[in-house]
Amino acid sequence: GAVVSQHPSRVICKSGTSVKIECRSLDFQATTMFWYRQFPKQSLMLMATSNEGSKATYEQGVEKDKFLINHASLTLSTLTVTSAHPEDSSFYICSARDRPGLKNYNEQFFGPGTRLTVL
Amino acid sequence: RKEVEQDPGPFNVPEGATVAFNCTYSNSASQSFFWYRQDCRKEPKLLMSVYSSGNEDGRFTAQLNRASQYISLLIRDSKLSDSATYLCVVGGFKTIFGAGTRLFVKA
Repeated sequence: GAVVSQHPSRVICKSGTSVKIECRSLDFQATTMFWYRQFPKQSLMLMATSNEGSKATYEQGVEKDKFLINHASLTLSTLTVTSAHPEDSSFYICSARDRPGLKNYNEQFFGPGTRLTVL
Repeated sequence: RKEVEQDPGPFNVPEGATVAFNCTYSNSASQSFFWYRQDCRKEPKLLMSVYSSGNEDGRFTAQLNRASQYISLLIRDSKLSDSATYLCVVGGFKTIFGAGTRLFVKA
């Protein structure tokens, strides 16, 4: 099946610093990638939809200036948490969807996640 | 009303038991339906897609009722390794995840 990697897997940073998380589709081209956040014992919450070559679409309540998303190629999307604070500590997961028209287009392939801890 | 609602759980069952999870969705225009499994502190992994005709994969059976906007997952002969959180996922314009139902299978 399709493989999505995420880097780093774990990061601890000081309050006020910025953290960049990378999401890569390793064996397929992903025109659409998604960024989710999951707090302990809660559901995955979609933060934004990232489309290659265009601006990301953010969900209501997600600050686009705080969570910068760049999807510069068909295999890479990045999420930068700017000026991180302790309340941003969470599990960030990306997913990618294959190109339209393919049989598994609606299936999402998830990265392993990045656990962010802001001190 | 939540867009995707699942049984709250947790379900605690003995090995060998049959367990059923239910899920309802609010958007009648939804087009795709899935069950994902998520282990503690890990990413979700696709368990199976759900089709109107119903589909079975070994001990797992998924069913979709579009008229009632209802999805189910049946696990037969539960194993200890089935312990996880099961997420109902509904796709359309957006993909919406249910809050998940936690399953504990005990020896």
